Amino acid sequence: EPEVTQTPSHQVTQMGQEVILRCVPISNHLYFYWYRQILGQKVEFLVSFYNNEISEKSEIFDDQFSVERPDGSNFTLKIRSTKLEDSAMYFCASSEAVYEQYFGPGTRLTVT
Amino acid sequence: RKEVEQDPGPFNVPEGATVAFNCTYSNSASQSFFWYRQDCRKEPKLLMSVYSSGNEDGRFTAQLNRASQYISLLIRDSKLSDSATYLCVQTGANNLFFGTGTRLTVIP
Repeated sequence: EPEVTQTPSHQVTQMGQEVILRCVPISNHLYFYWYRQILGQKVEFLVSFYNNEISEKSEIFDDQFSVERPDGSNFTLKIRSTKLEDSAMYFCASSEAVYEQYFGPGTRLTVT
Repeated sequence: RKEVEQDPGPFNVPEGATVAFNCTYSNSASQSFFWYRQDCRKEPKLLMSVYSSGNEDGRFTAQLNRASQYISLLIRDSKLSDSATYLCVQTGANNLFFGTGTRLTVIP
């Protein structure tokens, strides 16, 4: 069964550093998403991506965040200058149509 | 603004019990709703889609009440493996809005 994969599983970084989180969506899916979940809180939408451009973004997704699909398989989330409050689990998701999204296993980001 | 509200629980039920969760939503324009399940420190996994007529999948039944703006999930004959957090989800234009989840523990 096809799966969304994410790397790394855990990333530790110092405040102010840049991080890139990587995702490989399911191959025939056209819609891609990033969500985050701070420990003990709900899953929050960050950004959706379709046809090589952002289709929607939340208030969380400010100028420090960017997404890219550098080739036909990868989908990345970059945080330019990490803050302590960026510590969270980051989930990538993909879907064939807009709904019924399938999530990757997540990257745990720890900012120290 | 809370788009989706759920009772956080926890619900502790014996094996074999029937348990029901409710969820209310605020965006009446949402077309689709889902239940996801999330195990501790894992990703959300799609459990069921919920459409206007509701649907059933084995021991799981999901219902949608558009007039009252709530959806429900019924689990019959609970198994130990059903222990998880159940997330109520409604769709936005290009994204999903998650509730905080209802924690279920099935006890032997």
